[in-house]
Amino acid sequence: NAGVMQNPRHLVRRRGQEARLRCSPVKGHSHVYWYRQLPEEGLKFMVYLQKENIIDESGMPKERFSAEFPKEGPSILRIQQVVRGDSAAYFCASSPLDTNYGYTFGSGTRLTVV
Amino acid sequence: GENVEQHPSTLSVQEGDSAVIKCTYSDSASNYFPWYKQELGKRPQLIIDIRSNVGEKKDQRIAVTLNKTAKHFSLHITETQPEDSAVYFCAATLPQGGSEKLVFGKGTKLTVNP
Repeated sequence: NAGVMQNPRHLVRRRGQEARLRCSPVKGHSHVYWYRQLPEEGLKFMVYLQKENIIDESGMPKERFSAEFPKEGPSILRIQQVVRGDSAAYFCASSPLDTNYGYTFGSGTRLTVV
Repeated sequence: GENVEQHPSTLSVQEGDSAVIKCTYSDSASNYFPWYKQELGKRPQLIIDIRSNVGEKKDQRIAVTLNKTAKHFSLHITETQPEDSAVYFCAATLPQGGSEKLVFGKGTKLTVNP
């Protein structure tokens, strides 16, 4: 029973490029959450998705950032025209349908913008 | 929205001593309070959690207490060991409009000196 799988683990992008981060939740989990962690800081909520629905995107910047969780396939966090300030660790977490407690986090994607 | 404050930001103890980390939250409707441990470069891992209908929970050397009236909760680690060294995050969840996002404190860097 694999946990939350995120890829890539490390991603380097030049300013202005696009970054695509993937998250496959625990099998059977239908809720996916994305968090951003800056160096030496806590986890900041970005977006909460269920299959084919964005439930809460209140923590996600309105420009350049988008997220999806299609019926088939992983959840994708997409950052367009990346800037240096986007450099961070991006963690995905999932939880099962019956309860929204007890997140399981993936190993994260460390994005570096050069 | 929910706001979680965590103290101290750094904590250094001698091996065998106890460590206590405290968090306060702002919204009295919050009902779930997990604690995560994050080692350097790794994902946050759930170590213990408590729900609002319980005042205390213990798991071996780790315990969490919750005071709903005062809106604070604490993590207690007894007989600390060097492998307890990590960053610890408290969190609170507020079920609101279908979103069950966790709001995290800024973390406590615990160092256990041999």
